[in-house]
Amino acid sequence: AQSVSQHNHHVILSEAASLELGCNYSYGGTVNLFWYVQYPGQHLQLLLKYFSGDPLVKGIKGFEAEFIKSKFSFNLRKPSVQWSDTAEYFCAFNTNAGKSTFGDGTTLTVKP
Amino acid sequence: EPEVTQTPSHQVTQMGQEVILRCVPISNHLYFYWYRQILGQKVEFLVSFYNNEISEKSEIFDDQFSVERPDGSNFTLKIRSTKLEDSAMYFCASSGTSTSNTGELFFGEGSRLTVL
Repeated sequence: AQSVSQHNHHVILSEAASLELGCNYSYGGTVNLFWYVQYPGQHLQLLLKYFSGDPLVKGIKGFEAEFIKSKFSFNLRKPSVQWSDTAEYFCAFNTNAGKSTFGDGTTLTVKP
Repeated sequence: EPEVTQTPSHQVTQMGQEVILRCVPISNHLYFYWYRQILGQKVEFLVSFYNNEISEKSEIFDDQFSVERPDGSNFTLKIRSTKLEDSAMYFCASSGTSTSNTGELFFGEGSRLTVL
């Protein structure tokens, strides 16, 4: 069965700390990978995506993610977080533009 | 920038009542979805819709649920007889045009359903 595993349920950081959120997916074929963010009280929005090509993708607000095919991973990183990055982060994938499967989400709290 | 809109933003209903949640997807998108998120839990797939029919549905999407695209713009989710466990945030999403479909989802702001 298709699944996404996000290793951290809740991460608490101080401003300027570096961030890495883990994501592993379970599927044997070609996938499209996504990170979505949900700021408090707002809807889900796309942070970044990987379809093909350079496995290091850059998204909005200084976020980046690296696809490592051999590890089935798509970890999200940011070198220096800000208070405004406080949100819930969801890793997701789909196959051949079918349904997207989401991870459980990671709540990031950034302390000012 | 085009966006997905949902109404109502919040609906409170009594158990056993019918509820219709409405969505207006992005106008040139061809694929439509409903997801739900129970408070504090993950985003769960309910159903996908393409070419005027359901293309995939989850185990959650039982006979109490139905979807419809009654005209060229709206996409609705109906829950026939609501249960307490249907309380959740329901997100509509759309994706894909006639020239490109990578599955990137564009979400609405959600409709919070509270069943009492």
